[in-house]
Amino acid sequence: EIVLTQSPGTLSLSPGERATLSCRASQIFSSSYFAWYQQKPGQAPRLLIFGASNRATGIPDRFSGSASGTDFTLTISRLEPEDFAVYYCQQYGTSPPMYTFGQGTKLEIK
Amino acid sequence: QVQLQESGPGLVQPSGTLSLTCTVSGGSTSSYHWSWIRQPPGKGLEWIGYIHYSGRTDHNPSLKSRVAISIDTSNNQFSLKLTSVTAADTAMYYCARDPYSGAAGFDYWGQGALVTVSS
Repeated sequence: EIVLTQSPGTLSLSPGERATLSCRASQIFSSSYFAWYQQKPGQAPRLLIFGASNRATGIPDRFSGSASGTDFTLTISRLEPEDFAVYYCQQYGTSPPMYTFGQGTKLEIK
Repeated sequence: QVQLQESGPGLVQPSGTLSLTCTVSGGSTSSYHWSWIRQPPGKGLEWIGYIHYSGRTDHNPSLKSRVAISIDTSNNQFSLKLTSVTAADTAMYYCARDPYSGAAGFDYWGQGALVTVSS
C-alpha cells in the first residue's frame, strides 16, 4: 500500500502570495493516477487536478500541478481569498486496487 | 449536471450495521466506478470501497470484511453496508464517481451524510 505524506501540515500566507503544497509517495507509481482536491468547511472535496498536472473542469489556471518521481506539487500562483481551505492529495493503486489520500494541508490566511 | 445524494439513518447503534444509499441524477450508474469515502470529524479522507457498474467491487483492506457495496442500475443507485460498527466509524460519508478507473480522480461527490455511532 502506498502512503502519501503531505507537507506542510499548515501553510500561512496572504492573498496575492504564491502557495506551494507538497505530497510525497512512499513508492513510485504512475503519475496518471494522482489527483489533488480542495475542501472548504462543511463542503465535500472538489477535484482540482487529475493525472498530476491536468486541471479539472472549471478550475482556474492559477492552480497547477507537477510531478517528479515520488514528489508531487500543487502550486497556486496568486492566492485569492476563496483559496484558503484544506488540500488533499490522492492516488489510485492497482495492487491491491485502492485509493489513498494524504493527511491534508491546511492553507490559512496569515 | 451529474448530482449524487446520500441518504440513510444518521444514528446507528454500536455493533449494528450502517446502511447508506447514493442516488445519482443527471447521469447513469451503468458506467464508471462508484465509491464510498468517509471523513471522521476534524480528520482526513478515507476510501471505503467502490463498485463497478458490472458489479465488481473492491474495498479498503483496513476495513477487513465489514464492507458490502451493491448497485441498482435500474434505479441509478448504489449502496453501502458496514457491519459491526463502533464509535470509530462515526464520520461524514460521501459517495463519489470515478469516471476513468483512477486516472481522472473523483469528479463528482455527494454533499455527504453524517453518521454517528452511539447508543
